[in-house]
Amino acid sequence: QVQLVQSGAEVKKPGASVKVSCKASGYTFTGYYMHWVRQAPGQGLEWMGRINPNSGGTNYAQKFQGRVTMTRDTSISTAYMELSRLRSDDTAVYYCVAEAAAGFDYWGQGTLVTVSS
Amino acid sequence: EIVLTQSPATLSLSPGERATLSCGASQSVSSSYLAWYQQKPGLAPRLLIYDASSRATGIPDRFSGSGSGTDFTLTISRLEPEDFAVYYCQQYGSSPPITFGQGTRLEIK
Repeated sequence: QVQLVQSGAEVKKPGASVKVSCKASGYTFTGYYMHWVRQAPGQGLEWMGRINPNSGGTNYAQKFQGRVTMTRDTSISTAYMELSRLRSDDTAVYYCVAEAAAGFDYWGQGTLVTVSS
Repeated sequence: EIVLTQSPATLSLSPGERATLSCGASQSVSSSYLAWYQQKPGLAPRLLIYDASSRATGIPDRFSGSGSGTDFTLTISRLEPEDFAVYYCQQYGSSPPITFGQGTRLEIK
């Protein structure tokens, strides 16, 4: 079965960077786009961008352009999302999501990133 | 960017009743690339409906989606206790950006 396992919770200071990993199993990693979605405490879902694991090509939401970098390592079926220049309002749960057919089919368990001085 | 507006923000119903949730788009959603998700506290969202009206794998047939263009609806025909949650619509068009609605909270009356 498809599984996405994300790295553990992080606590960062304002201005720092965070890199979250997402290890995929149960399918051909290069076959599905991988998206990143975040959810601030008590708030809705926000799409950050996606990566084509086959080509490495990316599309980022305009809000995160210049601050987010999505990469992948096909040898270990793992996607990464790095967010730089962290602010307190970046405190959120970050999800990786594999898009298999239509819609966001498979979600990681989420990684809580807390930004606090 | 397509803005999705969900209504109502909160819906209070009893088990056994019918729920109708709405999602309006600021411009036409191409090819009905509209999905619905259910999210329970502390868990990741779960895909319910894709392409406006197709049920995802394992989703009970009491969930149905309809609509096209700028107006979409999620209907839960007969509410079960486990259906009380937050529901989000999402458009995933032919190209980014992908956007979500702000959510509808379905609560027990």
